[in-house]
Amino acid sequence: QQQVKQSPQSLIVQKGGISIINCAYENTAFDYFPWYQQFPGKGPALLIAIRPDVSEKKEGRFTISFNKSAKQFSLHIMDSQPGDSATYFCAATSGSNDYKLSFGAGTTVTVRA
Amino acid sequence: DSGVTQTPKHLITATGQRVTLRCSPRSGDLSVYWYQQSLDQGLQFLIHYYNGEERAKGNILERFSAQQFPDLHSELNLSSLELGDSALYFCASSVGAVDTEAFFGQGTRLTVV
Repeated sequence: QQQVKQSPQSLIVQKGGISIINCAYENTAFDYFPWYQQFPGKGPALLIAIRPDVSEKKEGRFTISFNKSAKQFSLHIMDSQPGDSATYFCAATSGSNDYKLSFGAGTTVTVRA
Repeated sequence: DSGVTQTPKHLITATGQRVTLRCSPRSGDLSVYWYQQSLDQGLQFLIHYYNGEERAKGNILERFSAQQFPDLHSELNLSSLELGDSALYFCASSVGAVDTEAFFGQGTRLTVV
């Protein structure tokens, strides 16, 4: 049973465009929401993370938006570049869950030059 | 390079066999986490060890076992292998007992034929 639902499964965006990936969760005990980036043949790497006490966090071209009441969070990749082509995973965890991560199914992003 | 080393990178074995996957965490990290990544299940948490002791178990099959040794490296043992065990197995490590800042290795691709 997927505790974190992620969409879309894949997306294609033109260079310079905006990529948007959405995630939803049910477990209100979750209190940490990281996003991971995975390139082919590599392990996932932490990209950016947010806690529910803020509604938005920005790091460079990557922004997380968080809606606690809707139990949804999303990743926006601004000015998408070919080097951003990768699979992105949202995840969630909580201290009561011993901080083991529950991952979304992943979104494959392709940025066309 | 995350600093987490997994060996071997690839493994092909027959059904019914037993294999051992090895993980060396980053220097100074006390926690090791194992994850399974398959096409149909996504990234699934298997087990977490902290400083040699098991801290949390996820959806780990009884045919699978793990341990963390005094030098903090970890091994994941998979026995009575089935075709469905074919997947990427990732190890991650973190300094403390929570995996919010975990770093992933490059994974071991297991193919069961």
